[in-house]
Amino acid sequence: DVKVTQSSRYLVKRTGEKVFLECVQDMDHENMFWYRQDPGLGLRLIYFSYDVKMKEKGDIPEGYSVSREKKERFSLILESASTNQTSMYLCASSLSTLRGNTIYFGEGSWLTVV
Amino acid sequence: GQQLNQSPQSMFIQEGEDVSMNCTSSSIFNTWLWYKQDPGEGPVLLIALYKAGELTSNGRLTAQFGITRKDSFLNISASIPSDVGIYFCAGPPSYNTDKLIFGTGTRLQVFP
Repeated sequence: DVKVTQSSRYLVKRTGEKVFLECVQDMDHENMFWYRQDPGLGLRLIYFSYDVKMKEKGDIPEGYSVSREKKERFSLILESASTNQTSMYLCASSLSTLRGNTIYFGEGSWLTVV
Repeated sequence: GQQLNQSPQSMFIQEGEDVSMNCTSSSIFNTWLWYKQDPGEGPVLLIALYKAGELTSNGRLTAQFGITRKDSFLNISASIPSDVGIYFCAGPPSYNTDKLIFGTGTRLQVFP
């Protein structure tokens, strides 16, 4: 089975803190994703990575950055957390097919910024 | 950015009823995926559609790839309490990409 593991299920951070959300996948997938989920807005793509050190902005990249130094690991970074970044963050991965392949999600990380 | 609109936004139904939901886009999609998210979990794939007009079933679930390629439908027959969750449609926003965008979701509640 594909396993996507997010390092923290629940985090509480203060405004202005730097926050790291880590994600690891064990299926040698080329693609990795970070989404944010908010009620009524569905899942919105923050960043997409199609290879090591390669990244592409999603629909809402502002206030976020990412790092992919190894194929299996994709990190989401909030340089200076703000209260409007309180949300559920979902990491996912997929094989490369260039036609919108099935993606596999982690369990999610609930971030609260106070 | 591009968005997929799902309707209805939420549904409250009795166990045993059938459910229909849909997903629409302003542009053409070449792949439609339907996911379900159980409370507190990440979404899991239910059905994948790759061809206009395609009708695919997975147990009590049936999904269709709309002929216009701008919409897709998901039906659940004889709902049961474990069908509770949020259902999302998804697809690649352009050619030659694995990037996926998701819909706004349909929240389903099933009462015994």
